[in-house]
Amino acid sequence: DSGVTQTPKHLITATGQRVTLRCSPRSGDLSVYWYQQSLDQGLQFLIQYYNGEERAKGNILERFSAQQFPDLHSELNLSSLELGDSALYFCASSVASSGVTDTQYFGPGTRLTVL
Amino acid sequence: AQKVTQAQTEISVVEKEDVTLDCVYETRDTTYYLFWYKQPPSGELVFLIRRNSFDEQNEISGRYSWNFQKSTSSFNFTITASQVVDSAVYFCALSEPQGGSEKLVFGKGTKLTVNP
Repeated sequence: DSGVTQTPKHLITATGQRVTLRCSPRSGDLSVYWYQQSLDQGLQFLIQYYNGEERAKGNILERFSAQQFPDLHSELNLSSLELGDSALYFCASSVASSGVTDTQYFGPGTRLTVL
Repeated sequence: AQKVTQAQTEISVVEKEDVTLDCVYETRDTTYYLFWYKQPPSGELVFLIRRNSFDEQNEISGRYSWNFQKSTSSFNFTITASQVVDSAVYFCALSEPQGGSEKLVFGKGTKLTVNP
């Protein structure tokens, strides 16, 4: 158990819908990362938050957004869903010291299926 | 730009064989970090090792060992006396924190199957 929790574990929805994925980081970790794992693109970085502020963006679609709350949990919002958004979405957390990449511990993932 | 190449898509071995998973990376930074993660069939990503660019010592942890060679930009992973429980997809990843983010760039992964 990495200490990172993600809910829900599975999500099945229809095209055009909107969903919210939730992540709680390990105790003491200030940074949260979201990654998408799909068969064609592999594991790709989406976005990073550090202590409530957005720190970096990767290949995140405009239909996707995220935030980190004062209690440090994070939510990833996916809207106007398309079939191609079906994937495994991971959240990871780390201490994130400046200029150092600390170990990122991953949650169990949320498997999103868009029908 | 950061890039990680895991040329071996799939490897199949028989239990007790040794197996090496290759990882080659590209980076322009002098400060970077390399990682290996294991993804068993259950789907979670399990951290195995983190290595920074200034520490070229090889590491051994039980049946696992890692060989870091800056001269060839490689960070290879060897499992000695493989077991069925080692069957998983293994990912190598790179991070360049000086760029303002500690994001990980992953290779495509190597699927290891250990047969009894």
